[in-house]
Amino acid sequence: GENVEQHPSTLSVQEGDSAVIKCTYSDSASNYFPWYKQELGKGPQLIIDIRSNVGEKKDQRIAVTLNKTAKHFSLHITETQPEDSAVYFCAAIDGSGGSNYKLTFGKGTLLTVNP
Amino acid sequence: KAGVTQTPRYLIKTRGQQVTLSCSPISGHRSVSWYQQTPGQGLQFLFEYFSETQRNKGNFPGRFSGRQFSNSRSEMNVSTLELGDSALYLCASSSPPGQGLADTQYFGPGTRLTVL
Repeated sequence: GENVEQHPSTLSVQEGDSAVIKCTYSDSASNYFPWYKQELGKGPQLIIDIRSNVGEKKDQRIAVTLNKTAKHFSLHITETQPEDSAVYFCAAIDGSGGSNYKLTFGKGTLLTVNP
Repeated sequence: KAGVTQTPRYLIKTRGQQVTLSCSPISGHRSVSWYQQTPGQGLQFLFEYFSETQRNKGNFPGRFSGRQFSNSRSEMNVSTLELGDSALYLCASSSPPGQGLADTQYFGPGTRLTVL
């Protein structure tokens, strides 16, 4: 099955700086890579996603890049704000057996943005 | 559109008991997935239902089961609770984009289960 590795596990930045979180996946058949933000006491919230036919996607201060050859994808947050502080999860759809609904998650990155 | 709702939000049970958790998907969504979240194991897939049929199951013991109703609402049940079942149980709903593409899943707030 799919295996997703996420780094770093914690990340502390100053307000206004950029933050980058990286993930690698093992199953070359995976074709959908969402990113979720989870705040304390809440469920994961989808913030951006990318499909394997696209190399980069941007939404305001958030961008995701995908390198299919190297099997890694990254989340970039620019001009960070204190409200960006949360746990961020990357995920990949397990492509084995044609399953297109089973997400495999990374272990998460605790992002702290210091004012 | 209202988001995914889960009830109850918090639950305390003792070992050996059973529990039923409920999930109402986003209106129009027909697929419901369940995940278990713990500090040690992270987010792990339990199972997924579509049109009242379980399409896939994760690596959990048979004590974990679920079902989906004709209105797409779903329940999951855990029997003979163990201390290790303490976790946040998350439900996600999706509306398949078709053409064999992967689903975009939207999560509810979760049910926090504590087993004493």
